[in-house]
Amino acid sequence: AQKVTQAQTEISVVEKEDVTLDCVYETRDTTYYLFWYKQPPSGELVFLIRRNSFDEQNEISGRYSWNFQKSTSSFNFTITASQVVDSAVYFCALRTSGTYKYIFGTGTRLKVLA
Amino acid sequence: DTGVSQNPRHKITKRGQNVTFRCDPISEHNRLYWYRQTLGQGPEFLTYFQNEAQLEKSRLLSDRFSAERPKGSFSTLEIQRTEQGDSAMYLCASSLGSGGDQPQHFGDGTRLSIL
Repeated sequence: AQKVTQAQTEISVVEKEDVTLDCVYETRDTTYYLFWYKQPPSGELVFLIRRNSFDEQNEISGRYSWNFQKSTSSFNFTITASQVVDSAVYFCALRTSGTYKYIFGTGTRLKVLA
Repeated sequence: DTGVSQNPRHKITKRGQNVTFRCDPISEHNRLYWYRQTLGQGPEFLTYFQNEAQLEKSRLLSDRFSAERPKGSFSTLEIQRTEQGDSAMYLCASSLGSGGDQPQHFGDGTRLSIL
């Protein structure tokens, strides 16, 4: 069975602090895709990153970075020097090959305080 | 790129009534998805269309739910004989299926409240 676990329900940080959001996934498939989405207070889910199972390279995009480790089945997301505008709910998602079903975690609510 | 459009934004109805939601995907996107999201949860997959073909449907979806995408453009999601438990945000997403896994673009959703 496939599953995505985001154990952190809510995190609060002060502006300019770094914060890491954890994502642990379960699948027996060797080919799969992992995603992060942001859902700001306005509600619309915004795509942040996609990673396939054969590409374990970590990625950095501005203040955002992602650490994919197959050995621990984790795909963690770090925001460096957080800003108030980063306040949102962040979802990790999994899709395995052979299905178009995306499995989302329960999300982590990030609050960045000024 | 005008984004994914969903109508209505809100729907309030009495238990037992039928409701229909509409989704207009980004024009060149051939893949369309429906999800349901309840408070404090992530989106839950309901069904997937590639062009006009419904290729995947969640086993959790009861037979009161039906979706169509008749011409491979807009899609409708109908819920018959609504129940209290159907209260949720219904999200539509679309993507371009041209090999690989293109990111989904989500609409603002339709919030359904059952009285």
